[in-house]
Amino acid sequence: DIQLTQSPSSLSASVGDRVTIACRASQDINSYLAWYQQKPGKVPKLLIYAASTLYSGVPSRFSGSGSVSGTDFTLTISSLQPDDVATYYCQKYNYDPPMFTFGQGTKLEIK
Amino acid sequence: EVQLLESGGGLVQPGGSLRLSCAASGFVFPTYAMTWVRQAPGKGLEWVSSITGSGAHTYYIDSVKGRFTISRDNSRNTLYIQIDSLRADDTAIYYCARNERATATSPLEYWGQGSLVTVSS
Repeated sequence: DIQLTQSPSSLSASVGDRVTIACRASQDINSYLAWYQQKPGKVPKLLIYAASTLYSGVPSRFSGSGSVSGTDFTLTISSLQPDDVATYYCQKYNYDPPMFTFGQGTKLEIK
Repeated sequence: EVQLLESGGGLVQPGGSLRLSCAASGFVFPTYAMTWVRQAPGKGLEWVSSITGSGAHTYYIDSVKGRFTISRDNSRNTLYIQIDSLRADDTAIYYCARNERATATSPLEYWGQGSLVTVSS
């Protein structure tokens, strides 16, 4: 089975900082990767899909990218805001195999 | 407006069974795959099972194969998951989510508020 490993597991940054969260797949998943944001006590929300496509209504300070190898992905917040405090998850949704695994999550806090 | 409303959660003894339902509204239900995701207390998200829009194809995480059965009634706009042989590590909030398209190989666009299942004697 393909594993997704996020790094770091947690981070603390200041308002206005550029923040990057990584997600590494154990095998090529092409661009079948999504990012979700889950604020404390809330339901997850879709941020990015197809590795780099911003979901409707998501602020433009969020962006995603992926490598040509189809194994390395990043979520970037260009200028961290207090409202961005949350845990962020990546998820693969390619078919091979049909296991739509989440990464373990990255907890983001404000310094 | 898309709405997903889960029901059926509760306290169940180990070895027991439960059926969760997810009533969907605000979209053409048969044209979207649906997914169950769970989250144990204080833990991360875990994909559990998905079903295509037609219901023809179902997918499960290995740890629930043979114990969980996902299904849908497209005439009632309702998603189900039958959970049998419950174990303590099945304790979690179970979220119903709508995929972005009819196939399960799509991101999860909308989420319900979740239904808590607690397995304890």
